[in-house]
Amino acid sequence: DGGITQSPKYLFRKEGQNVTLSCEQNLNHDAMYWYRQDPGQGLRLIYYSQIVNDFQKGDIAEGYSVSREKKESFPLTVTSAQKNPTAFYLCASTADIRYYQPQHFGDGTRLSIL
Amino acid sequence: AQSVSQHNHHVILSEAASLELGCNYSYGGTVNLFWYVQYPGQHLQLLLKYFSGDPLVKGIKGFEAEFIKSKFSFNLRKPSVQWSDTAEYFCAVNLNYGGSQGNLIFGKGTKLSVKP
Repeated sequence: DGGITQSPKYLFRKEGQNVTLSCEQNLNHDAMYWYRQDPGQGLRLIYYSQIVNDFQKGDIAEGYSVSREKKESFPLTVTSAQKNPTAFYLCASTADIRYYQPQHFGDGTRLSIL
Repeated sequence: AQSVSQHNHHVILSEAASLELGCNYSYGGTVNLFWYVQYPGQHLQLLLKYFSGDPLVKGIKGFEAEFIKSKFSFNLRKPSVQWSDTAEYFCAVNLNYGGSQGNLIFGKGTKLSVKP
């Protein structure tokens, strides 16, 4: 079955450490997204990528970085500059940002600070 | 900036009660509208969507939503809720820029708890 795989499911970060969250999709979708979900805040867009080797900042990109070297993969790095990283991170994809395609979501990664 | 407002943070209903969850957005142009649901321990999934045409949209599991352009609203309804509808519901709006769409803007979500 096609879908989006996020790993790990739970991740712990020490102060001053960078951590990378994995997102892989086998849906052959062009566009991929990273959202952050906080209680009572809904989903907020961190970064998105419409094609390989291209990505754009979302609403809350500070303290995060991404890469898109392959169509299937869109890893998110939470850097030490992100002062409040504890949250639930969701990866999503869609076939083509030009068309009316709702996004498919992964199961998420919960990041906590040690 | 464009925004999506969901009026209720937490709604508690008994089984068989009727449900209406409010959603308003702030954008005067063409929009695509979505409701997503997140059941406990599961990933977000699409409940229903509106792109154009009939403003009353039917979704899965007996849910429906009505797009009222004059009120900038897209409220979610279900005539009779079940315990299994307990979940968090998110309204989302996608701005339509003359054929190409922008990114989804989500509301903060409404938790629905249904008492058996």
